[in-house]
Amino acid sequence: GDSVTQMEGPVTLSEEACLTINCTYTATGYPSLFWYVQYPGEGLQLLLKATKADDKGSNKGFEATYRKETTSFHLEKGSVQVSDSAVYFCALRYFGNEKLTFGTGTRLTIIP
Amino acid sequence: DGGITQSPKYLFRKEGQNVTLSCEQNLNHDAMYWYRQDPGQGLRLIYYSQIVNDFQKGDIAEGYSVSREKKESFPLTVTSAQKNPTAFYLCASRNPGRGVEELFFGEGSRLTVL
Repeated sequence: GDSVTQMEGPVTLSEEACLTINCTYTATGYPSLFWYVQYPGEGLQLLLKATKADDKGSNKGFEATYRKETTSFHLEKGSVQVSDSAVYFCALRYFGNEKLTFGTGTRLTIIP
Repeated sequence: DGGITQSPKYLFRKEGQNVTLSCEQNLNHDAMYWYRQDPGQGLRLIYYSQIVNDFQKGDIAEGYSVSREKKESFPLTVTSAQKNPTAFYLCASRNPGRGVEELFFGEGSRLTVL
C-alpha cells in the first residue's frame, strides 16, 4: 500500500541554521503531497503542498519540491527561527480519495 | 472566526467506561474526519464522513463509533472495547471539490485511561 517515510527525529538546530527534513513516499499513482506542521499543544496546520511532479510548494520560508523520479518531497528552509520549533508531518493523498496518509512526524527544536 | 472546536481538551476515563469526544465545525465543510495520534506513529484515520448521515471506517475503527446527524457535528465515542484508548485525538474537516485539498484540524483532545 501507499506509505510515507520521514527522517527520524528529533532534530535540533541552532537559530539561522539550514534545515532539511527528508520525506520519501511509496505510491502506485500520482498523489498530491503535503507538509503539515503541529506547534506544541495544537492541531495540525497545512504548511505547503504540491499537486504534481516538479511543483514546488512554499510558505513561511519553507520549500518542498515534488520529485517523481526520486519519490521525494523534502522540506527545506534556509534559516530557521526558534518559532519554527514544532513537529512536521509529510503526507500524501490521491484526488478523489478521502484518506490522507501521514508519515510518523519529525520533531524539530531550534535553540537560540 | 471559522474553525473546528474539539472538547474536552483533556479527558480522564476509568477502564470499562465509554467516553464521547465532541467535534464541531462552522466552516460549512461537508467532510469530517477523526484521527488518532500516538508518539512515533504519526496520525491514523479512525472514521470519516463525507455527508450527513453517512460515515466510513478508517484504518483503526475497532473500538470506536461515530455519528453524523448534523453537518456541523461529528462526535467520536471511544468504547470500552478499545484496548488501548490513551492517545491524542484530532478532528478535521475539508470541503471536497476540485483543487480543494487542505484539511483543517481542531486543537485535539487528549484522552487518558486510568
